[in-house]
Amino acid sequence: AQTVTQSQPEMSVQEAETVTLSCTYDTSESDYYLFWYKQPPSRQMILVIRQEAYKQQNATENRFSVNFQKAAKSFSLKISDSQLGDAAMYFCASIPRGSQGNLIFGKGTKLSVKP
Amino acid sequence: EPEVTQTPSHQVTQMGQEVILRCVPISNHLYFYWYRQILGQKVEFLVSFYNNEISEKSEIFDDQFSVERPDGSNFTLKIRSTKLEDSAMYFCASSGTSGGEETQYFGPGTRLLVL
Repeated sequence: AQTVTQSQPEMSVQEAETVTLSCTYDTSESDYYLFWYKQPPSRQMILVIRQEAYKQQNATENRFSVNFQKAAKSFSLKISDSQLGDAAMYFCASIPRGSQGNLIFGKGTKLSVKP
Repeated sequence: EPEVTQTPSHQVTQMGQEVILRCVPISNHLYFYWYRQILGQKVEFLVSFYNNEISEKSEIFDDQFSVERPDGSNFTLKIRSTKLEDSAMYFCASSGTSGGEETQYFGPGTRLLVL
C-alpha cells in the first residue's frame, strides 16, 4: 500500500520569499505519479503540479517547482516569490501507474504568507 | 476552461435521511471519482467509476453509499441513511481517457452536515 507523509503541519513565509514544503512517500510500485494540490479557504482542490516518476527532470509550473528524489522517495514543492494568494493548505498525493483512481493524500501543510 | 461542478455547495440533513450529491464532470472525461474530507483531516478516496460501473472502492464506501451516472452528464453519490460521522466535505473529480493515473480535476466540493 502507498503512504504519503507531510511532516510539516504548518509553514510560514514572507511575501516575495521562497518556501519549500516537504513530502515523502512509500510505495512498492515501480511507476507512479505524484501531485501537489492546493486547497485555499474556499476548500476547492486545485492542481498545482504533477510529476511522473519515470521522468528524472523535475516538473516546473511558473513559480512552483518540485525536487523529486526517487531513491529517497521525496517530493518537495518549492514556491518562489511567494504571494498572498499562495496561502492555503497544500496536499501531496500519489497514485500508481495503471490505478483505477485511488489518489493517496498526505495530511497537508498549512502555508501562511506574511505581507 | 472546462471544470468540474458540484451541487449543492452546502447541505444540512437530519441523521437517517438520504442525501444525493451531484456532480457534472468535465465533458470529455471518462473516469469519475468521489473523495471525502472530514474537517481537519486528509482527503480520503471513496470510489472510482468507469464505463458505468465501479472500478475501485475503499473500505469507507459501504452499503450505505452508491454512485450512479443517470445521464450523459451527471454523476451522483447517494448516502442512504446518513450518520453523524458522514459530516464532511465531499469532492467529485474526473480524469480523461487513460485512467486514474491521469491528473484528476476536482470540483469545489459539497459541504455536508448531518445533525
